[in-house]
Amino acid sequence: ETGVTQTPRHLVMGMTNKKSLKCEQHLGHNAMYWYKQSAKKPLELMFVYSLEERVENNSVPSRFSPECPNSSHLFLHLHTLQPEDSALYLCASSQAADSGTEAFFGQGTRLTVV
Amino acid sequence: GQNIDQPTEMTATEGAIVQINCTYQTSGFNGLFWYQQHAGEAPTFLSYNVLDGLEEKGRFSSFLSRSKGYSYLLLKELQMKDSASYLCAVSNDYKLSFGAGTTVTVRA
Repeated sequence: ETGVTQTPRHLVMGMTNKKSLKCEQHLGHNAMYWYKQSAKKPLELMFVYSLEERVENNSVPSRFSPECPNSSHLFLHLHTLQPEDSALYLCASSQAADSGTEAFFGQGTRLTVV
Repeated sequence: GQNIDQPTEMTATEGAIVQINCTYQTSGFNGLFWYQQHAGEAPTFLSYNVLDGLEEKGRFSSFLSRSKGYSYLLLKELQMKDSASYLCAVSNDYKLSFGAGTTVTVRA
C-alpha cells in the first residue's frame, strides 16, 4: 500500500459509544494531522503531531483524544460524541510540520453520530 | 488568526478558462497551496507558491502576490473531470489553514 490510508471509511455510532479512527501513512513523513470537514465549511485543523509529539491542539473538545504511537500511525479516539460531531474526518501527513511542505490526505472517515 | 476567502461556486463551459481567486490574512506565511477535492474523495495537491509570481503546471497555473495577500488558480481547457471543489490553503508555523473551497461545475 502507498499513501495515507484511513479506517473505517464509514462509521455510525451512538452518543454513548467509544470508537477509534485509524490512520496509517507509508510515505516516511514526520508529521501527521487530523482535520474535520463539515458541509460547506473549511477544513478545521484538530491536531498536529511532529515526530510523534503533539505540537498543535486547536481547542478541540476532550471527547476527541488523539494518539500517535509512532511516526506512521495516528489514531483519533472518540467517546460521548454529539450529533454535531458528524462530519468527514481526514488524516494527512507531510514531510515536516513547520515548513511549507505538501500534505497528503487519506480518503477520510465519514462519521455519523446518532 | 487566519482569514481565507474564496468564492463559493463557479460554473464554466468545457474548453473554457476559469480563474479562482483567494485572498488571505494570516500571521506568518510559509506558502500557499491549492488542492482539488472531488466529491467523496480526499483532497489532492495541485500547486504550491511561496514566492510572488506564476507557477505553471500543464493546464493549471497558480499565482501569488504576498504583498496583496492574494492568489489565484487558473484552469485552462476545462474538462468535465475538472468539476470539483478547489481549496486554497495557507501554511504558517505548524498549521495549514483552509478556505471553504470553491465548487467548480463544468458544463458541456
